[in-house]
Amino acid sequence: GDSVTQMEGPVTLSEEAFLTINCTYTATGYPSLFWYVQYPGEGLQLLLKATKADDKGSNKGFEATYRKETTSFHLEKGSVQVSDSAVYFCALRDNDMRFGAGTRLTVKP
Amino acid sequence: EAQVTQNPRYLITVTGKKLTVTCSQNMNHEYMSWYRQDPGLGLRQIYYSMNVEVTDKGDVPEGYKVSRKEKRNFPLILESPSPNQTSLYFCASSPGLAGIYEQYFGPGTRLTVT
Repeated sequence: GDSVTQMEGPVTLSEEAFLTINCTYTATGYPSLFWYVQYPGEGLQLLLKATKADDKGSNKGFEATYRKETTSFHLEKGSVQVSDSAVYFCALRDNDMRFGAGTRLTVKP
Repeated sequence: EAQVTQNPRYLITVTGKKLTVTCSQNMNHEYMSWYRQDPGLGLRQIYYSMNVEVTDKGDVPEGYKVSRKEKRNFPLILESPSPNQTSLYFCASSPGLAGIYEQYFGPGTRLTVT
């Protein structure tokens, strides 16, 4: 079945550092890909999405490109802030929704 | 405000005592689902519903029941909770099942079964 594998972390960065969180997927169909973010004590919120190959999703300085040839959807941000500290989930959705295990990011001042 | 609400947010109970976690959405979404979140495992789907009176099992349905009598509500029922059901539970909704739709999540219910 479909599945998502993401870098488990935890990841600790200094403010203004570059962020990459790797995500790869396996799917039999043509899923949409998502990154969700979970701040402490809250539910998941959509960060960005891409619905077809070569699409780039972007929001709040974060970006991810749907790469069908490498089955990847890596999350990047050029300069992280303390307020980006959260757990990030990569997910895919065809008929079912599948989540990665989550990556905890801590950004230190 | 468009939202998914869950109650209670925190619950501590004992083994075998039936409980219900409520979920409600005000976006007229057809699709609703329940997940549990456990460390290192991400989110795993328990049950989902594609519309009123239509429910189906997800990946980890054992020990849970659901019902969908109204479009907006999708309660999760634990008839006889056990300690291995201690977890963080999320309800989610979306306009439909298709992959293009994002899911909207509730704030979560942290359940402890002793």
